[in-house]
Amino acid sequence: AQSVTQPDIHITVSEGASLELRCNYSYGATPYLFWYVQSPGQGLQLLLKYFSGDTLVQGIKGFEAEFKRSQSSFNLRKPSVHWSDAAEYFCAVGAGNTGTASKLTFGTGTRLQVTL
Amino acid sequence: DGGITQSPKYLFRKEGQNVTLSCEQNLNHDAMYWYRQDPGQGLRLIYYSQIVNDFQKGDIAEGYSVSREKKESFPLTVTSAQKNPTAFYLCASSAAPAIGNQPQHFGDGTRLSIL
Repeated sequence: AQSVTQPDIHITVSEGASLELRCNYSYGATPYLFWYVQSPGQGLQLLLKYFSGDTLVQGIKGFEAEFKRSQSSFNLRKPSVHWSDAAEYFCAVGAGNTGTASKLTFGTGTRLQVTL
Repeated sequence: DGGITQSPKYLFRKEGQNVTLSCEQNLNHDAMYWYRQDPGQGLRLIYYSQIVNDFQKGDIAEGYSVSREKKESFPLTVTSAQKNPTAFYLCASSAAPAIGNQPQHFGDGTRLSIL
């Protein structure tokens, strides 16, 4: 069975500083990987996804993530954080084709706080 | 605009009562999902449905029931058998995958509390 580990429960960065959120996955085949962001009391919004090809993927809001198969990682990065980036971030791995459903396994999330 | 609508935003349940959470999507997606979110535990899959009149249990289905009578609707009932129902419930949908997994699109959630 697949699993996702987000080792950092809470991270604080200063506005304008760079950001890296860690994600490690466990999956036997080619993983399908996602990063989502959640503001308080809201649903999840997709930031970016990796299916295949270029291991550096670009997403919305200036985020990017790099897939490293040798390290089983899919870390999320942003060069310069804005105060509006404060939220909870979830990494997820897909179970591959299961009919028409796309079952995902989510990490426990990393809460990002941005100081001014 | 296409999206997923969950209602109500807040819901209160009395002991021994069943309550139903609504989820409607106009994205023409085949698959729909229900998740439960608790602090520090991420999202856990309750039920999912790949097609009308079909659904499968997820990881924590006990105490919950669903139906899928229409493509756009996937209501979740929290029964009295669910002893710890206080949580944030999220509904999602996804298109049929041409390759790999398709991203899931989420509603804004329903927060359920016990009176």
